[in-house]
Amino acid sequence: AQTVTQSQPEMSVQEAETVTLSCTYDTSESNYYLFWYKQPPSRQMILVIRQEAYKQQNATENRFSVNFQKAAKSFSLKISDSQLGDTAMYFCAFMKHQTGANNLFFGTGTRLTVIP
Amino acid sequence: GAVVSQHPSWVICKSGTSVKIECRSLDFQATTMFWYRQFPKQSLMLMATSNEGSKATYEQGVEKDKFLINHASLTLSTLTVTSAHPEDSSFYICSARSEAGGPGELFFGEGSRLTVL
Repeated sequence: AQTVTQSQPEMSVQEAETVTLSCTYDTSESNYYLFWYKQPPSRQMILVIRQEAYKQQNATENRFSVNFQKAAKSFSLKISDSQLGDTAMYFCAFMKHQTGANNLFFGTGTRLTVIP
Repeated sequence: GAVVSQHPSWVICKSGTSVKIECRSLDFQATTMFWYRQFPKQSLMLMATSNEGSKATYEQGVEKDKFLINHASLTLSTLTVTSAHPEDSSFYICSARSEAGGPGELFFGEGSRLTVL
């Protein structure tokens, strides 16, 4: 079974500063995807960043980057130059790498507040 | 990007009544859609996988007769909460995969908040 753990229920960061959200996971799979999804208040969930487990290079999307430590099963999200629009719930998620319809396993989320 | 829309965004109903929630893929065809339930301050839990033209696949512990799923077309899946009770009050979210997305990426609806009185 897969589990995803986010140990930080809430975090806050000053605008323009950098914040790191933690995520650990447990799986016996060797190949999989990891994701960070963002759920803004009263808006739908959108993908922030994706990491494929077989790739050693950490994924980067503009101000968002990850620190993927496969051996430690850790997948943290770093947000640089935080903006007010980054205020949201952030979910770490895991998906097996296989053909067909796959399920996402979500962590419990971290509520991030960017302070002006 | 791909757009998934849910309707209604919120609904209040009396205990014992049934409520239908629609999930539509607006600009792509989705052979598979997923229905999640989200409790306050908790994660999303997969309820079922909706397959176009066939029966849905339910997760363990989810009552098939309670949560009826129909996926009659490539752009529409519906979730009907039958004989709703207050404990069914929750946030229900659907998602789908689109070729427009990257590997493993899902596109989510806005969610539907159900309150059962």
